[in-house]
Amino acid sequence: GAVVSQHPSWVICKSGTSVKIECRSLDFQATTMFWYRQFPKQSLMLMATSNEGSKATYEQGVEKDKFLINHASLTLSTLTVTSAHPEDSSFYICSAPPQGSPFGYTFGSGTRLTVV
Amino acid sequence: QKEVEQDPGPLSVPEGAIVSLNCTYSNSAFQYFMWYRQYSRKGPELLMYTYSSGNKEDGRFTAQVDKSSKYISLFIRDSQPSDSATYLCAAVGGADGLTFGKGTHLIIQP
Repeated sequence: GAVVSQHPSWVICKSGTSVKIECRSLDFQATTMFWYRQFPKQSLMLMATSNEGSKATYEQGVEKDKFLINHASLTLSTLTVTSAHPEDSSFYICSAPPQGSPFGYTFGSGTRLTVV
Repeated sequence: QKEVEQDPGPLSVPEGAIVSLNCTYSNSAFQYFMWYRQYSRKGPELLMYTYSSGNKEDGRFTAQVDKSSKYISLFIRDSQPSDSATYLCAAVGGADGLTFGKGTHLIIQP
């Protein structure tokens, strides 16, 4: 089946630095990638939708300049958290939309970001 | 409205018990319903999916949808410690993409 590989799985960074998270579709082409953020004991909240070759679509309240999304190819989407602060510490997950059936969302394994 | 309501728990039951997990939704445009299982610090994995009212069974798992009352359930029979995880309900439909509930943290006590 479809696989989305997400890296890194865990990262600690200093406040003020930037962190890049990558999601690759391994055996299919993803023209769209969804990026979620999940705080402890909270649901997955959609942050933005990346689109290959065009600008990402951000959900209300998500800072475009802080969460830079790039979808430069059909197999790679990246999320860069710029000038990270401790409140950005969270679990970030990407997901590719269904290939065929309406149920087949493919999720990455997630990235645990801790900003110190 | 985009919300899917789900009690976050935790829900703790003894091994072998029947587990009942529930969600309600308000958006009539939702057509497809899924249950995901998420282990700590991992991405969610699809457990069950359905698109019509009624029951769908897969091994120890049964998904139930009642569109008239906008209520979705997941039942786990003969629960095992390995079932301990967070279970997220999700719905798709209309102009909205995949909308998740908060997730219920389930603990199966050996």
